This record gives sequence, C-alpha cells and structure tokens, in this order.
Amino acid sequence: AQSVTQLDSQVPVFEEAPVELRCNYSSSVSVYLFWYVQYPNQGLQLLLKYLSGSTLVESINGFEAEFNKSQTSFHLRKPSVHISDTAEYFCAVSARGFGNEKLTFGTGTRLTIIP
Amino acid sequence: DAGITQSPRHKVTETGTPVTLRCHQTENHRYMYWYRQDPGHGLRLIHYSYGVKDTDKGEVSDGYSVSRSKTEDFLLTLESATSSQTSVYFCAGGDRYNEQFFGPGTRLTVL
Repeated sequence: AQSVTQLDSQVPVFEEAPVELRCNYSSSVSVYLFWYVQYPNQGLQLLLKYLSGSTLVESINGFEAEFNKSQTSFHLRKPSVHISDTAEYFCAVSARGFGNEKLTFGTGTRLTIIP
Repeated sequence: DAGITQSPRHKVTETGTPVTLRCHQTENHRYMYWYRQDPGHGLRLIHYSYGVKDTDKGEVSDGYSVSRSKTEDFLLTLESATSSQTSVYFCAGGDRYNEQFFGPGTRLTVL
C-alpha cells in the first residue's frame, strides 16, 4: 500500500515570493506521482504528474515538482506566486503496473497568497 | 464538453433516508471513482469501478453502495444516511497511469 504525507496544512506566502509545498510518500513498489489543485468550490484539477523520465516536471502556470527517489519526495515549487494561486494543493501517489488503478491522496496544503 | 458531471450539486436530507448521487461522464473513461472530502482527511476513496458492473471497495466503503450499469453512469447510494456521512462527494474518471479527472462535487448535509 502507498501513503502520502503533506506536513504543512496551511502555507501563507506574500505575492511574488517563492513557495515550496512539501510532499513525501511511502511505497514498497515504483510509483506514479501527481499534484492536484482545488480552487474554492470546485473539483480537483491535475496540475502536474511524474510518470517516468525526467525527474523535474513542470505545469503550464509556472509550478514545478521534482521526483526524488532517495528521499521519497515530490515537492511542489513556484518561484513567484500570484493571487490566483490561492487554492488547496493535494499530492497523490499510485503504484505502477496493471491492477493498481487507485490514487492515494495526502491531506492537502492550503496556499494563501498575501497581497 | 461536459466531461464529468454530478447531480445533485447540493442536497439536504434527514438521518435514516436513502440518498443516491449520480455521476455522468462523456469521456469514455474505463475507471470511475467516488471519493469523500472532509477537513483534515483529504480525499478518501469510497468505491471504484473498473468496468460496467465491475466495482470494488475503497478505504471508507461502510454504509455506501455503488452501481455501474453503463459506461457513462456511476451511482453512489447511501442506504440509510447518517450525520457522519455529511461531506462533499467527488466523482472522478480515469484511464491510463491512474490520472483522474474530477467532477464539480456534491455537498451533502445529513440532519
């Protein structure tokens, strides 16, 4: 089974400052990793994903995450945040391979941007 | 392009009544999922389906049942609603690599 830990439940950041949202996972098998974003009163949207290949993955709106196998981490970063980034962010993990069609989510990190 | 829709979007019901939430997809996803979202718990999987009439339990399945008679529709039923089932319910669909696409959610209040 897999598990995900998001240690920070809330992260306040000033506008245009950098931010890092932490995600650590546990798994006995190889994994796929995801970050989802949830804007107020909406469903979750995929922000970025790591399936294979380059360990650094990027989103279209300036976020990036790096898969670190030795530290079992997949932290999300953005060099300069905007008010529109205010949302809740969920890290998720699933096992690779056929028969493993479930995602395990972390408890989420609420990112608040301070003007 | 509706993607995944859920109905109703809001529902208030009383303890002991049956409740059915509907998820409809237009993307031909093979897999469909029902989650509940509660503060401090993130999303927890209730049930999922890997094909028509093929379903399995998630981590919080007690008190819930599901049915999938068509690829497009995935129903979640609370046989006898309890206050502990007050939550926001999300449906999702997925295919390869477990990437999932979510509906807008249903806010259920059980009084």
